[in-house]
Amino acid sequence: NAGVTQTPKFRVLKTGQSMTLLCAQDMNHEYMYWYRQDPGMGLRLIHYSVGEGTTAKGEVPDGYNVSRLKKQNFLLGLESAAPSQTSVYFCASSSRIREDGRSYNEQFFGPGTRLTVL
Amino acid sequence: AQSVTQPDIHITVSEGASLELRCNYSYGATPYLFWYVQSPGQGLQLLLKYFSGDTLVQGIKGFEAEFKRSQSSFNLRKPSVHWSDAAEYFCAVGAGVNFGNEKLTFGTGTRLTIIP
Repeated sequence: NAGVTQTPKFRVLKTGQSMTLLCAQDMNHEYMYWYRQDPGMGLRLIHYSVGEGTTAKGEVPDGYNVSRLKKQNFLLGLESAAPSQTSVYFCASSSRIREDGRSYNEQFFGPGTRLTVL
Repeated sequence: AQSVTQPDIHITVSEGASLELRCNYSYGATPYLFWYVQSPGQGLQLLLKYFSGDTLVQGIKGFEAEFKRSQSSFNLRKPSVHWSDAAEYFCAVGAGVNFGNEKLTFGTGTRLTIIP
């Protein structure tokens, strides 16, 4: 199993350009997430999905759009990139795990995409 | 709303010394707590988790963490660190999917440096 993969690994954009980041998972997970990581800020949730065809906003959704047309893929789009979107983007996936009568999800992370917007 | 505080931005430890990384959480009910490690240029890897039962949990790579409800803490410990433990460590809290909340809230991370 490849786990969670992200494409591309690096990208440089000019302000106003658009791009799509692709996340793929081969673990048949229901849930998928997009985070951004900035120095001193930890990981902040951008958007997430609880199943194919569904998406929801996270903590910092402005300037981003997402789609989950297939269960294994979760796309993050930047329609008009801004320098404030320079960051490292992580995708994660998870499924519901049930132990001792309680359910939780354990997230598995991809290697990240480093995006620079000039 | 749930939140996590990691009060130490950067910690330096000598190789072979013991380690404790602090994590304090805010959540109304019994939380689901996680510690992740991120090596340079890599994604996050789960070290250990707590959601019920024994308050001292063991994880991978010789790490352990203790849940203390009275102090709202979930500190990560290791008796003797190795140079390969140099990384960034993130504490996270979740509400559990029973409540329809599939999200995790992460702390800002603690960067660990190991000196010879």
